Amino acid sequence: GQQVMQIPQYQHVQEGEDFTTYCNSSTTLSNIQWYKQRPGGHPVFLIQLVKSGEVKKQKRLTFQFGEAKKNSSLHITATQTTDVGTYFCAGHNQGGKLIFGQGTELSVKP
Amino acid sequence: GAVVSQHPSWVICKSGTSVKIECRSLDFQATTMFWYRQFPKQSLMLMATSNEGSKATYEQGVEKDKFLINHASLTLSTLTVTSAHPEDSSFYICSARRRVGPGVRGVEQYFGPGTRLTVT
Repeated sequence: GQQVMQIPQYQHVQEGEDFTTYCNSSTTLSNIQWYKQRPGGHPVFLIQLVKSGEVKKQKRLTFQFGEAKKNSSLHITATQTTDVGTYFCAGHNQGGKLIFGQGTELSVKP
Repeated sequence: GAVVSQHPSWVICKSGTSVKIECRSLDFQATTMFWYRQFPKQSLMLMATSNEGSKATYEQGVEKDKFLINHASLTLSTLTVTSAHPEDSSFYICSARRRVGPGVRGVEQYFGPGTRLTVT
């Protein structure tokens, strides 16, 4: 079945440093979604990318969807302590089910 | 955005008892709801897909007789963990899908706040 792989599993950064998490799918995705889950909380939708090569920005967050629509990345510029949490990518499989990557846990040292 | 609620937010039960978790879409009708389970430090694993008025479809490895799903209306789906055991302790999250337009862009999925189940 479809697999969505995400790396790294953990990332520890100093406040102000940049952070990137990568997502790769074994099959072509119709779209890719990104979620953030704070410790003890539930996943919160951040964004959806649909077009090949699409790039979207939300303040310090930049999201990219690969040309082949099989990979994606989330980049955070100048991290802040409020960025702490686990970031998940998710893609829809052929059956329309949303399948999550393993997530990247980000910790930010002030 | 749309709101999905879950009740209870947390529950502690004794081994062998059953627990029912409710998932409601508060301001939209959801023809499809999904149930996920998340163990500590792990990702969300899809358990089952629930369509209003029909039987749920379960992912491989998920026991349908243990995790009973009912989607009786367009705004309510329930997950009942029957004869719960300590290994069923987990964070259960529902998600409701809303169609807002045609094609892949026309589907939105919203997550509930989750239910933390502890079986002693």
